[in-house]
Amino acid sequence: AQTVTQSQPEMSVQEAETVTLSCTYDTSESDYYLFWYKQPPSRQMILVIRQEAYKQQNATENRFSVNFQKAAKSFSLKISDSQLGDAAMYFCAYRSPIMKTSYDKVIFGPGTSLSVIP
Amino acid sequence: NAGVTQTPKFQVLKTGQSMTLQCAQDMNHEYMSWYRQDPGMGLRLIHYSVGAGITDQGEVPNGYNVSRSTTEDFPLRLLSAAPSQTSVYFCASSLGLAGPSMNTEAFFGQGTRLTVV
Repeated sequence: AQTVTQSQPEMSVQEAETVTLSCTYDTSESDYYLFWYKQPPSRQMILVIRQEAYKQQNATENRFSVNFQKAAKSFSLKISDSQLGDAAMYFCAYRSPIMKTSYDKVIFGPGTSLSVIP
Repeated sequence: NAGVTQTPKFQVLKTGQSMTLQCAQDMNHEYMSWYRQDPGMGLRLIHYSVGAGITDQGEVPNGYNVSRSTTEDFPLRLLSAAPSQTSVYFCASSLGLAGPSMNTEAFFGQGTRLTVV
């Protein structure tokens, strides 16, 4: 079964600085999708960035970028120029592309709570 | 532009009571799922459905029932509430996948904070 691990329960970053959140996963599949979700205090789950495993190029969305290392099964999120509004819980998630009843699940990691220091 | 609508937002139950958490989506998504969120444990999958009439168990299904009679609705039933079911519950939906697709992310409802006393 697939698993997702986030080894940093809490992180903090100075405003305007850069922070990297770690995520590793375990799978025997070669094709899959990876996501980072943000959950602010409002509780809403917000997609930050996605990565398709068959793409070698790392995904980028404005100040957010990933370092996808497929062989190492690592998927870290880098936040540049951190802002106060980035303070939130961040979840790494995995999804198989295979539409089978036993495989088509989205698996989440335990989350990393990010604080931004003014 | 409703997306995923989840009700209620807050609920307090007494031990042994039953209730249904409602979830509806208007995006014609095949895939719907229920998660519970507990501190330090992330989101854990309770039940999921890949289409109307098809449901399957996730990681923590005990004490919960689901059904999927329509594409739009995916209610979660607590049969006999227990304090261990105190949690925040999220409903999510996404497109089913038959191959590589950009629209693969899950869309979430706003969550239900459930307290069982």
